[in-house]
Amino acid sequence: SQQGEEDPQALSIQEGENATMNCSYKTSINNLQWYRQNSGRGLVHLILIRSNEREKHSGRLRVTLDTSKKSSSLLITASRAADTASYFCATGNQAGTALIFGKGTTLSVSS
Amino acid sequence: DSGVTQTPKHLITATGQRVTLRCSPRSGDLSVYWYQQSLDQGLQFLIQYYNGEERAKGNILERFSAQQFPDLHSELNLSSLELGDSALYFCASSSRTSGGRETQYFGPGTRLLVL
Repeated sequence: SQQGEEDPQALSIQEGENATMNCSYKTSINNLQWYRQNSGRGLVHLILIRSNEREKHSGRLRVTLDTSKKSSSLLITASRAADTASYFCATGNQAGTALIFGKGTTLSVSS
Repeated sequence: DSGVTQTPKHLITATGQRVTLRCSPRSGDLSVYWYQQSLDQGLQFLIQYYNGEERAKGNILERFSAQQFPDLHSELNLSSLELGDSALYFCASSSRTSGGRETQYFGPGTRLLVL
């Protein structure tokens, strides 16, 4: 079953613009993670934000978490063509043993 | 490079056949997770092993099985293959057993095509 749902499904922007992706989830979480997947390749972990954190930064990435709304957002600032990829949010399943992924946001950055 | 390796990268086979996918986790990681990614189902958790023992099962079909060996590498066996089994199969690893609460490191995947 889907826990995280990303929005939008697809996003096209120009280099230098900011990209914002949102994720909503259904049940209480211990943490929420964001992963990136370049076309047909493996997933790369971007950032993990714990349920008691509200905001986290990593380079050009900024993640926010609002547990009251059960939502998170990923902001990529000053985007580059190399940021073109699919971005997934993931939360733990109820047993905490595995990740449940949303369907992802496909980001396309054109130069 | 995540440190997780998977072989083979591509696999083409026929319906009814059986294949084995192999995964080596990052050095020091005891947990191995298998995921299936398809266009219609998205990325789905199949099964987890921790230090040789099965720890959690997800949406894994009875035709599929896995094991983790003493050297911690893992194999996913897919049998009686159907067209719908065509997908990307990922292996991930983590240091502990609570895969839902920690970062998982993904391999490059095996792309399976069943004809």
